[in-house]
Amino acid sequence: EVQLVESGGGLVQPGRSLKLSCLASGFTFSNYGMNWIRQAPGKGLEWVASISSSSSYIYYADTVKGRFTISRDNAKNTLYLQMTSLRSEDTALYYCARQKRRVPYVMDAWGQGASVTVSS
Amino acid sequence: DIQMTQSPASLSASLGETVTIECLASEDIYDILAWYQQKPGKSPQLLIYDASSLHTGVPSRFSGSGSGTQYSLKINSLQPEDFASYYCQNGLSAPNTFGAGTKLELK
Repeated sequence: EVQLVESGGGLVQPGRSLKLSCLASGFTFSNYGMNWIRQAPGKGLEWVASISSSSSYIYYADTVKGRFTISRDNAKNTLYLQMTSLRSEDTALYYCARQKRRVPYVMDAWGQGASVTVSS
Repeated sequence: DIQMTQSPASLSASLGETVTIECLASEDIYDILAWYQQKPGKSPQLLIYDASSLHTGVPSRFSGSGSGTQYSLKINSLQPEDFASYYCQNGLSAPNTFGAGTKLELK
């Protein structure tokens, strides 16, 4: 069974940093591109960042570019999102999601989400 | 960036009814579009990709169609588990923007 389990969320002050992790199991992690998607309370979905299977290709939304860094450790089956200079508008539930093979824009498996609250 | 405009924002329907949700892209996205379902308190689930391809395990009462800039998700014979929010997603170019969502409620 495919499983994606996010961790590392919490309450953080504006301007501080936080690092999310997503532990994958039930599939060959190193064969799949991965994404971070977020959802602010009561709002819709916002794509945040994506990374290819070998980390060769990385993309960010303009809203987080220069502040967030996506990375992965295929030996540990883990995806990361390093978030710096956090703002109140970064408050959201952060999902990691797997890219569908051969259809990379599609996300065919999602975690349960990690909650990030940015507030003083 | 490609903008995705979904309509309606909310929809009330009865069990057994057929409903259609629309998604309008700000430019031609060549059928590179996905639909997701999100139930309250749950993570999104893939329904359809490439505008009309049904994801594995998704019931056949769900179907997608469209071309160019206009796409739709149709749900036939609504079941209790279908009352949820639905999102379209552009896949043509980064950022892979989502529509604002459609909340389908039981009448």
